[in-house]
Amino acid sequence: DVKVTQSSRYLVKRTGEKVFLECVQDMDHENMFWYRQDPGLGLRLIYFSYDVKMKEKGDIPEGYSVSREKKERFSLILESASTNQTSMYLCASSFPGGNQPQHFGDGTRLSIL
Amino acid sequence: DQQVKQNSPSLSVQEGRISILNCDYTNSMFDYFLWYKKYPAEGPTFLISISSIKDKNEDGRFTVFLNKSAKHLSLHIVPSQPGDSAVYFCAASANRGAQKLVFGQGTRLTINP
Repeated sequence: DVKVTQSSRYLVKRTGEKVFLECVQDMDHENMFWYRQDPGLGLRLIYFSYDVKMKEKGDIPEGYSVSREKKERFSLILESASTNQTSMYLCASSFPGGNQPQHFGDGTRLSIL
Repeated sequence: DQQVKQNSPSLSVQEGRISILNCDYTNSMFDYFLWYKKYPAEGPTFLISISSIKDKNEDGRFTVFLNKSAKHLSLHIVPSQPGDSAVYFCAASANRGAQKLVFGQGTRLTINP
């Protein structure tokens, strides 16, 4: 069965901290994605990766970076956390191709105090 | 600039009746459309999709209709069941590059017994 696992369901951090969110998929997918979900705004793409060590900016990359050293793992990094980064973060993966659905993890609810 | 819009934040339908969720898009380069369903505390799950070369796709109780001239798609659920209560997101992609998805804001569907 398809599985995308996010390392934490809930996370509380302080302003200015460096925060790491981890995502692992077991489906041998080439593509991996990081989104944030906010009320009234839907899912917005932060970064994505279509291969190991490759990354591309999404629609809202400011304040974030990513790392993909292995095919199955995609990390989202908040370089210096701010309160406006409090959100639900969702990781997804897919095979290449515009007709390939993305499979999502259950999300990490991140609160920045 | 919201390229994919779901103008109804919520919808309430009687059990057994038809649920119709709507989605509009502005980018004429979109050629593949998907619907996702999201329960609280879970990630979105893929429901149904449609290519721009079709105007209808059916899967059991779920049918998606695409009107390219109006840049409009809709999801029909017949008959509606209590387990269909969830947030529904429509998404669109242009079949090139790394297959980014652009999501709408979501519609919360409530099925009343």
